[in-house]
Amino acid sequence: GENVEQHPSTLSVQEGDSAVIKCTYSDSASNYFPWYKQELGKRPQLIIDIRSNVGEKKDQRIAVTLNKTAKHFSLHITETQPEDSAVYFCAASIKNTGNQFYFGTGTSLTVIP
Amino acid sequence: DVKVTQSSRYLVKRTGEKVFLECVQDMDHENMFWYRQDPGLGLRLIYFSYDVKMKEKGDIPEGYSVSREKKERFSLILESASTNQTSMYLCASTSLRISINQPQHFGDGTRLSIL
Repeated sequence: GENVEQHPSTLSVQEGDSAVIKCTYSDSASNYFPWYKQELGKRPQLIIDIRSNVGEKKDQRIAVTLNKTAKHFSLHITETQPEDSAVYFCAASIKNTGNQFYFGTGTSLTVIP
Repeated sequence: DVKVTQSSRYLVKRTGEKVFLECVQDMDHENMFWYRQDPGLGLRLIYFSYDVKMKEKGDIPEGYSVSREKKERFSLILESASTNQTSMYLCASTSLRISINQPQHFGDGTRLSIL
């Protein structure tokens, strides 16, 4: 099956700086890569996703890049704010497997005011 | 907006008890999932279901079973609870579109403590 690795496990940045979280996957058949944000005591919520036919996707201060050749994808948050502090999870999903996701182990991001 | 509701936010049970965790979604989704979330281990898949009365084992099914009698409801059962099953349990659902993967929608989670 698929194996997703996520780094770093913890990340602290100053407010206004950028944060980058990286994930690698093992199965070249993976074609969908969502990112989830989980604030303390709350449910994971989808913040951005990317499909394998696209190399980059942006949504305001958040962007995701995908390198299919190297089998890695990254989350970029620019101009970080204290409310960006949360745990972020990446995931990979293989086509035609009924939307089964393989999750990374999470990154705890702290934005220091 | 998709709503996935888990019956309890916090639950305390004793070793050896049979425990039921309930999950209901209101979007007519075909697929439903149960995860266990532990610090440093991320979300690990316990069981999932593609349809009523169908179930598939995930990565860590030992000690658990599931039931899906109705499309909107997916139950996780701890047959004989043990202390190593103390954890946060998350339910998720998604629509089944064979050609295009869809995001999963999560419930608020049940924090289960086994004493």
